[in-house]
Amino acid sequence: AQSVTQLGSHVSVSEGALVLLRCNYSSSVPPYLFWYVQYPNQGLQLLLKYTTGATLVKGINGFEAEFKKSETSFHLTKPSAHMSDAAEYFCAVSLYNAGNNRKLIWGLGTSLAVNP
Amino acid sequence: DTGVSQNPRHKITKRGQNVTFRCDPISEHNRLYWYRQTLGQGPEFLTYFQNEAQLEKSRLLSDRFSAERPKGSFSTLEIQRTEQGDSAMYLCASSLGAVQSDTQYFGPGTRLTVL
Repeated sequence: AQSVTQLGSHVSVSEGALVLLRCNYSSSVPPYLFWYVQYPNQGLQLLLKYTTGATLVKGINGFEAEFKKSETSFHLTKPSAHMSDAAEYFCAVSLYNAGNNRKLIWGLGTSLAVNP
Repeated sequence: DTGVSQNPRHKITKRGQNVTFRCDPISEHNRLYWYRQTLGQGPEFLTYFQNEAQLEKSRLLSDRFSAERPKGSFSTLEIQRTEQGDSAMYLCASSLGAVQSDTQYFGPGTRLTVL
């Protein structure tokens, strides 16, 4: 079955520290991979995506993610956390469904807290 | 490009009432999606449209829920005889529908509270 697993529902880091949010997926076909961020009471904003080509993808707000096929992972990182990074982060995988349409499969999200 | 917009942003209703939400997608996008999100959870897929055609509906979408996209532009989601369990954030997203990377762009959501 196709699935997305985000390890750690809550992550807490100090301001200026490295941010690492983990995402693993299961898929028998090459996936497209996405990270979205959601601030309180707002919709989801696309941070970055991987489709094909370079496996290290840079996104907005200094975030980046690396697609590792051998590890079926797409972990999100940022070298130095800022207070404004506190939010909910969702990993999603786009896979073909039975109707040959691409469909997003979502992780449960990771809540990032940044401590001063 | 003004992004995806949703109205209203908040709706409070009494149990048993009907509610309708509107979503205006990015203008050139031909796919439109509805999701429901409860606190601490990821988005749950409800339904999606390719232009005016509703191509898929989730089993979560009971017969009290109906969605339309009559002219292939804006969409409405109606919930009849609301229940307290319907309280959630309802998210709309749109995409170009391109084969290569069907990136979905989300609106701000409509938060529904059923009393």
